[in-house]
Amino acid sequence: DQQVKQNSPSLSVQEGRISILNCDYTNSMFDYFLWYKKYPAEGPTFLISISSIKDKNEDGRFTVFLNKSAKHLSLHIVPSQPGDSAVYFCAARKMKTSYDKVIFGPGTSLSVIP
Amino acid sequence: DAGITQSPRHKVTETGTPVTLRCHQTENHRYMYWYRQDPGHGLRLIHYSYGVKDTDKGEVSDGYSVSRSKTEDFLLTLESATSSQTSVYFCAITRGPGTEAFFGQGTRLTVV
Repeated sequence: DQQVKQNSPSLSVQEGRISILNCDYTNSMFDYFLWYKKYPAEGPTFLISISSIKDKNEDGRFTVFLNKSAKHLSLHIVPSQPGDSAVYFCAARKMKTSYDKVIFGPGTSLSVIP
Repeated sequence: DAGITQSPRHKVTETGTPVTLRCHQTENHRYMYWYRQDPGHGLRLIHYSYGVKDTDKGEVSDGYSVSRSKTEDFLLTLESATSSQTSVYFCAITRGPGTEAFFGQGTRLTVV
């Protein structure tokens, strides 16, 4: 049973609009969440993270929102650009555990249409 | 660029043959990981290492072994390749046990 779910395998957005990628988790012990971005034929790269003591974290055009009661997080990209077209992985772990305990979601493929 | 090189980048092999994938890092980090990426599953941890000769199993370790005889190299061996091991394999490193990972470019392995 997947502990980290990304229920939308793909998403298409017009350039300049907002992209919202969603992630749900089932393990209430998770308290640290990460987003990775992956281009074709490349490895994933770390994008942004959030700990459970916050409900929002921003980095430029990227903002992650965390709703602990709903066990839900979302990544907002504003404005979306064609270069944002990639697969986005949500990941989660308990803060005091090591990286080998990180659980990844299946990914959402974002296409930003010029 | 985190200084991680995976080799080979692509490989086609026959069922039942042994295969070794190599991960080489120039960052001198202790922590290294092997993942596989499959559609619908995201990234799943196969094995990891917290130092030379210090390795442990991940979520999907059956059919795989690893070795780490030097800080910079982490080898993943498929002892007898099966079609279910057709996948994209990623090596990753972290600066510490809980810091974010840097990934290599991946190895696409096809078992026929």
